[in-house]
Amino acid sequence: GAVVSQHPSRVICKSGTSVKIECRSLDFQATTMFWYRQFPKQSLMLMATSNEGSKATYEQGVEKDKFLINHASLTLSTLTVTSAHPEDSSFYICSATGQRERAGELFFGEGSRLTVL
Amino acid sequence: LAKTTQPISMDSYEGQEVNITCSHNNIATNDYITWYQQFPSQGPRFIIQGYKTKVTNEVASLFIPADRKSSTLSLPRVSLSDTAVYYCLVGDWGDTGRRALTFGSGTRLQVQP
Repeated sequence: GAVVSQHPSRVICKSGTSVKIECRSLDFQATTMFWYRQFPKQSLMLMATSNEGSKATYEQGVEKDKFLINHASLTLSTLTVTSAHPEDSSFYICSATGQRERAGELFFGEGSRLTVL
Repeated sequence: LAKTTQPISMDSYEGQEVNITCSHNNIATNDYITWYQQFPSQGPRFIIQGYKTKVTNEVASLFIPADRKSSTLSLPRVSLSDTAVYYCLVGDWGDTGRRALTFGSGTRLQVQP
């Protein structure tokens, strides 16, 4: 199947710093990418949807100035957690779609675990 | 998107068949049923998808009754490596666009030796 790669897989940062997470579709053009957040032993929560070349659409309760999303090309989307605080520590997962072979099938990245000290 | 209900957890032993049932009473005509598997600290992985009746692939089978208000994921002869969380999702991802998947609570499957 298609491959979606995230980087970094783990990141530790100090409170108040910004962290950027990259999501790449390696073998297909992703017209739409989604960013999820997952706390321990909980389900995935959708944060935002980004379409290539346009502004991201954020879910209710997600601060767009806190979580900056850029989808500048068909193979790359970035999530920047600005002025990170300990409560932002979480597992961030991206997914991408662009193929039409199977409706509803998303390809997920490996996830990025953010720890804010 | 249709709401789904799954058991929170299930236990099984190696070599057994495991059936996880998902309820989706308000499934719409154009909705597909998709199952994902997630291991700790990894992104979800697509398992199987269906619309009606039965679908089988190399790892699982999906049974969907005629009214489509529920579905059952069947894992034949599970092994320890099948210990994971399994998510049932329902939605329409037609030509109008690619909508995100909404994840429910999932079913935590624990396979014992």
